[in-house]
Amino acid sequence: SQQGEEDPQALSIQEGENATMNCSYKTSINNLQWYRQNSGRGLVHLILIRSNEREKHSGRLRVTLDTSKKSSSLLITASRAADTASYFCATDAAGAQKLVFGQGTRLTINP
Amino acid sequence: NAGVMQNPRHLVRRRGQEARLRCSPMKGHSHVYWYRQLPEEGLKFMVYLQKENIIDESGMPKERFSAEFPKEGPSILRIQQVVRGDSAAYFCASSPNQISGNTIYFGEGSWLTVV
Repeated sequence: SQQGEEDPQALSIQEGENATMNCSYKTSINNLQWYRQNSGRGLVHLILIRSNEREKHSGRLRVTLDTSKKSSSLLITASRAADTASYFCATDAAGAQKLVFGQGTRLTINP
Repeated sequence: NAGVMQNPRHLVRRRGQEARLRCSPMKGHSHVYWYRQLPEEGLKFMVYLQKENIIDESGMPKERFSAEFPKEGPSILRIQQVVRGDSAAYFCASSPNQISGNTIYFGEGSWLTVV
């Protein structure tokens, strides 16, 4: 089954605004991670949230996890042009030894 | 501490040729993962290896694709008799331990174009 479905698929906002991306998944997980990918580049790890955590912060990033709804959100506050990238959530399901990625959200920050 | 190193970064092959992609994990990492990314899509898991062992190859196509991680040297993803549909970015990632609760670190990818 497909894990980590992000929405929206694409998001375009003005610089300085907040950007919120959502991720839903289907099975029980150990952890959920968010990654960023700039065009033509590899993935950069942003934040990991464990299944027993509800919220985590890192700089301008805020991640929430609701295991009852099997969903997570990534909030980027005070967006900058450099935040333009694709953002992926990835889950490692209980008993699995791999990360499963969603299709990603393409975020565009307009100056 | 150098990151995950992949080479070549870009590779062009004609249909029917072989593509060989290499991945050197981060120092101290003994777990390697290969993912494939088609244009405008997410990453699809292919294979998970530890030194000299294939742990999970559930995402590998049954034919033409193989992977290894020898005791010495980089991990190799090999694609024989490439077809146009193999054109994609292939990412390698590594971790020091099993994945649960641990971050995996990605290389910059190898971009394969089949002409």
